[in-house]
Amino acid sequence: EVQLVESGGGLVQPGGSLRLSCAASGFTFSSHWMHWVRQGPGKGLVWVSRIKTDGSKIGYADSVKGRFTISRDNAKNTLYLQMSSLRDDDTGVYYCTREYGGSSDYWGQGALVTVSS
Amino acid sequence: QSALTQPPSASGSPGQSVTISCTGTSSDVGGYNYVSWYQQHPGKVPKLMIYEVTKRPSGVPDRISGSKSGNTASLTVSGLQAEDEAEYYCSSYAGNNNFVFGTGTKVTVL
Repeated sequence: EVQLVESGGGLVQPGGSLRLSCAASGFTFSSHWMHWVRQGPGKGLVWVSRIKTDGSKIGYADSVKGRFTISRDNAKNTLYLQMSSLRDDDTGVYYCTREYGGSSDYWGQGALVTVSS
Repeated sequence: QSALTQPPSASGSPGQSVTISCTGTSSDVGGYNYVSWYQQHPGKVPKLMIYEVTKRPSGVPDRISGSKSGNTASLTVSGLQAEDEAEYYCSSYAGNNNFVFGTGTKVTVL
């Protein structure tokens, strides 16, 4: 069974940093591109970032470029999102997803990030 | 990276069909056959309903279908059921390892 389990969310002040992790199991992690998607409270889905199987290709939404860094450790079957210079509008649930056919076929339960003073 | 445009709401009676549009540009929807659709019930994790414009993942009923014409993709839900009431989002590959989601459509079963 495919499982994606996010961790590392919490309350952080504006300008602060946080690192999210996503532990993957039930599939060959190193064979799949992976994504982070976020959803603000009461708002829609927003694509955040994508990383290739071996980490050699990465994409970011303009809203997080230069502030967020996606990475992966295939030996640990884990995806990461390092977030810095956090702003109020970064608040939301962050989902880790597995890519298949240009879509996200499996989603984690999400990690809540709250940016507030 | 502007969000794809979806109507805020759509509705239909049980048994009827509803079609949701997703309008982008030639740089995203019109340029690639990587359009996907997601269903999200309140408080739940999004669920993949359609990928690569028209393909259904295992377990998604065939009354769910997708299509694309030019820069606009569409999702059709036929034979509406109470369980179809949810928020629906489209997504598209936008080149340069970037993706974009739609603004979301709330489907109501009357």
